[in-house]
Amino acid sequence: AQSVTQLGSHVSVSEGALVLLRCNYSSSVPPYLFWYVQYPNQGLQLLLKYTSAATLVKGINGFEAEFKKSETSFHLTKPSAHMSDAAEYFCAVSETRGSNYQLIWGAGTKLIIKP
Amino acid sequence: DAGVTQSPTHLIKTRGQQVTLRCSPKSGHDTVSWYQQALGQGPQFIFQYYEEEERQRGNFPDRFSGHQFPNYSSELNVNALLLGDSALYLCASSLAGNNQPQHFGDGTRLSIL
Repeated sequence: AQSVTQLGSHVSVSEGALVLLRCNYSSSVPPYLFWYVQYPNQGLQLLLKYTSAATLVKGINGFEAEFKKSETSFHLTKPSAHMSDAAEYFCAVSETRGSNYQLIWGAGTKLIIKP
Repeated sequence: DAGVTQSPTHLIKTRGQQVTLRCSPKSGHDTVSWYQQALGQGPQFIFQYYEEEERQRGNFPDRFSGHQFPNYSSELNVNALLLGDSALYLCASSLAGNNQPQHFGDGTRLSIL
């Protein structure tokens, strides 16, 4: 079974600083990977997805993620943090079981932005 | 174009009761997945419906059941509610296929007293 590990349940950065949220996955086949963001009392919103095209994936709100097969990683970055980026971020991998599939989720990382 | 809509937004029940939560998928989507998200945790997969059939199920007891209608909307039913069932229940819709992103509703906050 596949799994997703997000390092750091909380990450705190200053406004304007680089954001780096880490995600490592385990998969025996080329994975489909996703990053989602969740604001308080809301559902999850797709930030970006990797589906075996370009290894550097650009998403919404200035976020991007790089797929590194050798490191089994899919870390999320943003060059300059904004107060509105404060939210919880989830990494997920799509696991295929026969003709069915489901998303396997990381535990999430809460991003805190310091003024 | 409406996204995924869920109803109700909030619900309070007592132990032993039964509850039905509803979800309308994003226009054009045919697959609906349900998740339970406890406070401070990530989503836990309950089950997925496609073509009105349950295609996959997570590690949840039979008290959790669902249905998908011909118009692709879906219901989640939970019987014999327990205090531990208190959570945010999220519905996600997508096109079929493991590279298709899921689009989420804002969830139903279920509180069990």
